[in-house]
Amino acid sequence: DAMVIQNPRYQVTQFGKPVTLSCSQTLNHNVMYWYQQKSSQAPKLLFHYYDKDFNNEADTPDNFQSRRPNTSFCFLDIRSPGLGDAAMYLCATSRLGQPYQPQHFGDGTRLSIL
Amino acid sequence: AQTVTQSQPEMSVQEAETVTLSCTYDTSENNYYLFWYKQPPSRQMILVIRQEAYKQQNATENRFSVNFQKAAKSFSLKISDSQLGDTAMYFCAFRFKETSGSRLTFGEGTQLTVNP
Repeated sequence: DAMVIQNPRYQVTQFGKPVTLSCSQTLNHNVMYWYQQKSSQAPKLLFHYYDKDFNNEADTPDNFQSRRPNTSFCFLDIRSPGLGDAAMYLCATSRLGQPYQPQHFGDGTRLSIL
Repeated sequence: AQTVTQSQPEMSVQEAETVTLSCTYDTSENNYYLFWYKQPPSRQMILVIRQEAYKQQNATENRFSVNFQKAAKSFSLKISDSQLGDTAMYFCAFRFKETSGSRLTFGEGTQLTVNP
């Protein structure tokens, strides 16, 4: 089945130690999104890619970066994680020009900071 | 900017009964889409139902239906014959009818618990 896969499901890192979360998709969607979701809160969009065109949200901290080397993969890099960055990180995909189609979400990566 | 409000942080319902989750939104746009997503504990967020703003007819998907009131900017979700598997966080979401990214704006969510 076509899907969105996030690895790892759980990630533990140390305060200040860079960490990378990965997302892959087999849907061939041209838009990929990264959301941060803290406990019992709504997902908050960090940024998205339309193909290789990167779109950052105005309030996304500089500590968060992203890479999309090809259509299938997208990475979220946190350069110096702080305690406040502990959260679930969700990757989602969609096809541009089809706003009625739902975004497809991965299972998420739960990030813990020691 | 558009906002989405879910005024019920938590709700509970007995199995087999009906429950309605409320959602209101604010936008100056006329063309948009509305969605309800379900996020079970530690599981993937999945689409429950969707509505196109220019359609007056309320969307229905099996036990799930919406009451879309465009003038009132209200988009409530009704779950009939509630099942234990319906226990989840439910998010109402808004999306412009645009081509650049088509981002979703989520409400804060309603935690629904279905009791046996």
